[in-house]
Amino acid sequence: AQSVTQLDSHVSVSEGTPVLLRCNYSSSYSPSLFWYVQHPNKGLQLLLKYTSAATLVKGINGFEAEFKKSETSFHLTKPSAHMSDAAEYFCVVRRASTNAGKSTFGDGTTLTVKP
Amino acid sequence: DAGITQSPRHKVTETGTPVTLRCHQTENHRYMYWYRQDPGHGLRLIHYSYGVKDTDKGEVSDGYSVSRSKTEDFLLTLESATSSQTSVYFCAISELQDREDAGELFFGEGSRLTVL
Repeated sequence: AQSVTQLDSHVSVSEGTPVLLRCNYSSSYSPSLFWYVQHPNKGLQLLLKYTSAATLVKGINGFEAEFKKSETSFHLTKPSAHMSDAAEYFCVVRRASTNAGKSTFGDGTTLTVKP
Repeated sequence: DAGITQSPRHKVTETGTPVTLRCHQTENHRYMYWYRQDPGHGLRLIHYSYGVKDTDKGEVSDGYSVSRSKTEDFLLTLESATSSQTSVYFCAISELQDREDAGELFFGEGSRLTVL
């Protein structure tokens, strides 16, 4: 079994300040973890992914996430928010195996960036 | 961007009518998925395919059927649409996975369906 909890449904930051979007997961198997971003009326775009290599993962647009097994967390961060970062963000856990269907999505966090 | 095309992008229909959404990929990926997205629910898996003519149910499959007669096409059919099926539908594709790396999903732009 696996599950994902995004701890904040809405996060608001000012432009130029750090971003923290929190994600906790549970998985009975070795997980692959992902962060996706969705801009209005668009599909989901991959920001970054964790498999079983380095625990600190760097993604596109200055985002990074750290896999902490002891805390079962995979929080997304960015040092300095930009107006274009305003979007919805999804944390996803997938089973690292040959099972094609096992992806679980968090409910999403809406990021607002104030000028 | 991954080559995924969904059609139609927007559709308004009436309760009780059949609806088919099409997903077409040019990436030759093995796995294809249909998700629905509703406010407060994230994305929920409807059906998925792991090869031509090989499909399986997801967590919200009631009222939906799928078919995959070619690697590149995955069809989602609502036999008799209901208002509860008003949603945004996303197709996704993925490549083979291994024990260490569950491949990422690549998404289409979505199909917005309104059932009146």
